[in-house]
Amino acid sequence: GESVGLHLPTLSVQEGDNSIINCAYSNSASDYFIWYKQESGKGPQFIIDIRSNMDKRQGQRVTVLLNKTVKHLSLQIAATQPGDSAVYFCAEIKDDMRFGAGTRLTVKP
Amino acid sequence: GAVVSQHPSRVICKSGTSVKIECRSLDFQATTMFWYRQFPKKSLMLMATSNEGSKATYEQGVEKDKFLINHASLTLSTLTVTSAHPEDSSFYICSARVQEKLFFGSGTQLSVL
Repeated sequence: GESVGLHLPTLSVQEGDNSIINCAYSNSASDYFIWYKQESGKGPQFIIDIRSNMDKRQGQRVTVLLNKTVKHLSLQIAATQPGDSAVYFCAEIKDDMRFGAGTRLTVKP
Repeated sequence: GAVVSQHPSRVICKSGTSVKIECRSLDFQATTMFWYRQFPKKSLMLMATSNEGSKATYEQGVEKDKFLINHASLTLSTLTVTSAHPEDSSFYICSARVQEKLFFGSGTQLSVL
């Protein structure tokens, strides 16, 4: 039978380059956003979060940007490493949590 | 962060048998847990919301008699795939919410022969 679920877009980058992963969210009232990383065969792991009263937040090698005008979220990974290869999901939270489609990041050595 | 333990990580079973997957919150109490299904190279699909002490809430299209959820304590939710068939083969993931964040189990790969 046909498998269900959104098909994941892919992003391939060279080791050492910066990666930008984008996400469009749906609820303009969402006030909290999270990026998750999911490695093959594992559950998603929390990476970084941002509240709607901010437009940028930085972590270690990762930066999340929030553009509420166009309901867009991005995750920037600096100096991408092979260990960053995974699927990345954004999540928006208001009364419940909704996941974006996810992006598969592949890092080429 | 909070730890969610999911067991087993991998299970192979014969068609027609039932399989139970456990999801435990190790260092916190979870009144609500969530169960997801994920097909290869696809996104997470919410199956149901498990509520401690009450019936689970299932998403549209998910058979409640097929996927039995029990949340008998504040630290344990179980998903039982009843009379499993090959089309039930998938990656199942649980999660629990702590304040606003979701913490996920490590997932269970179910293969039905």
